Amino acid sequence: GAGVSQSPSNKVTEKGKDVELRCDPISGHTALYWYRQSLGQGLEFLIYFQGNSAPDKSGLPSDRFSAERTGGSVSTLTIQRTQQEDSAVYLCASSFYGGEDNEQFFGPGTRLTVL
Amino acid sequence: AQTVTQSQPEMSVQEAETVTLSCTYDTSESDYYLFWYKQPPSRQMILVIRQEAYKQQNATENRFSVNFQKAAKSFSLKISDSQLGDAAMYFCAYRSPGLIGSRLTFGEGTQLTVNP
Repeated sequence: GAGVSQSPSNKVTEKGKDVELRCDPISGHTALYWYRQSLGQGLEFLIYFQGNSAPDKSGLPSDRFSAERTGGSVSTLTIQRTQQEDSAVYLCASSFYGGEDNEQFFGPGTRLTVL
Repeated sequence: AQTVTQSQPEMSVQEAETVTLSCTYDTSESDYYLFWYKQPPSRQMILVIRQEAYKQQNATENRFSVNFQKAAKSFSLKISDSQLGDAAMYFCAYRSPGLIGSRLTFGEGTQLTVNP
């Protein structure tokens, strides 16, 4: 079946602009995660959605970052007033509640460049 | 909070040879999961192997195996008979048990080069 998809693949924006990054999880997966991968670094957790529960936003680096998940499926990560330090690859993952080990399946990411 | 450390930013291996990537972690939990992920230039994170901490037996997946030393909090990945397609960034990751909402905590990664 189809995997996790993300769009756009690459995004170049100017400092101060707002951007929206989209994630389509695997159909039937109830959990969705966002991670950020800065250049040469490991992945950093940003936010997690599980069904209709309140999201775990504890990893968001500032109030310029927000995310929503509509209808328990597609998620959008929004970065307002982008800064150069926001340049990174943003990865989305989804998992199926009740799976053997709740394996997270990753999308190909969105590379964000803030000029 | 848990931390994961990969002390080898870069490693190289000759094709068909064996290479070991190191990972250490810090946690106060007694039960948890450990993972190795592969990230090729396509950016797609691919799960290579997983280990449950309560299992004493080291996990193996074809040419990939781990050396899990719980007391030492060490979790190394051995790649046997290395192939050109193994060239990628490898990340070690930790996850707490139970709840699906448990995030992955990643190390900094090791860039593996496979020489023909």
